[in-house]
Amino acid sequence: GNSVTQMEGPVTLSEEAFLTINCTYTATGYPSLFWYVQYPGEGLQLLLKATKADDKGSNKGFEATYRKETTSFHLEKGSVQVSDSAVYFCALIYGGATNKLIFGTGTLLAVQP
Amino acid sequence: DAMVIQNPRYQVTQFGKPVTLSCSQTLNHNVMYWYQQKSSQAPKLLFHYYDKDFNNEADTPDNFQSRRPNTSFCFLDIRSPGLGDAAMYLCATSNFRGNSNQPQHFGDGTRLSIL
Repeated sequence: GNSVTQMEGPVTLSEEAFLTINCTYTATGYPSLFWYVQYPGEGLQLLLKATKADDKGSNKGFEATYRKETTSFHLEKGSVQVSDSAVYFCALIYGGATNKLIFGTGTLLAVQP
Repeated sequence: DAMVIQNPRYQVTQFGKPVTLSCSQTLNHNVMYWYQQKSSQAPKLLFHYYDKDFNNEADTPDNFQSRRPNTSFCFLDIRSPGLGDAAMYLCATSNFRGNSNQPQHFGDGTRLSIL
């Protein structure tokens, strides 16, 4: 079946450090891939997306590239800020299912000043 | 701004007392979803409406019901809340167009507490 696997958290970094959160997926066909971010006490916000192989999604300094050969969609940011502290969810949508999301377990990022 | 609005942000109810959570959207999306999210977990889909068609997830308890009276509004009814139903409830919308995978847009959620 379709699934998403994320690296375990929490991830604790100092401000201005480089961030990588690993995400791999299993899916039939050609899913679309997403990263959502959830700040404390809030709903999920779409951070970035990619709809086909080799697409790079980017937003607010975050990037992720859809790698079909490794079935991965790792999230990266060159220099994190304290305000990036949140839970990050990798997710996929596979076709024909009214845009139903399959989520990873989420990764808590804590950035220290 | 077009958005997904959930009311109230915080809801307290008594054990066994019915409660309704509401969601409205200005995006004119044809699909609306309800999720339950417990602490440190990913959201769990309860059900969704595609236009007026209701789609229940296989493991959603009968205690949870939903209504969508029009495109803009969707309600989550919990008929007899138990202590295990305390959670964040998230509403989301998307525009389903057949073979195009459109993202979901989430509201800020309602945090439900059971006394």
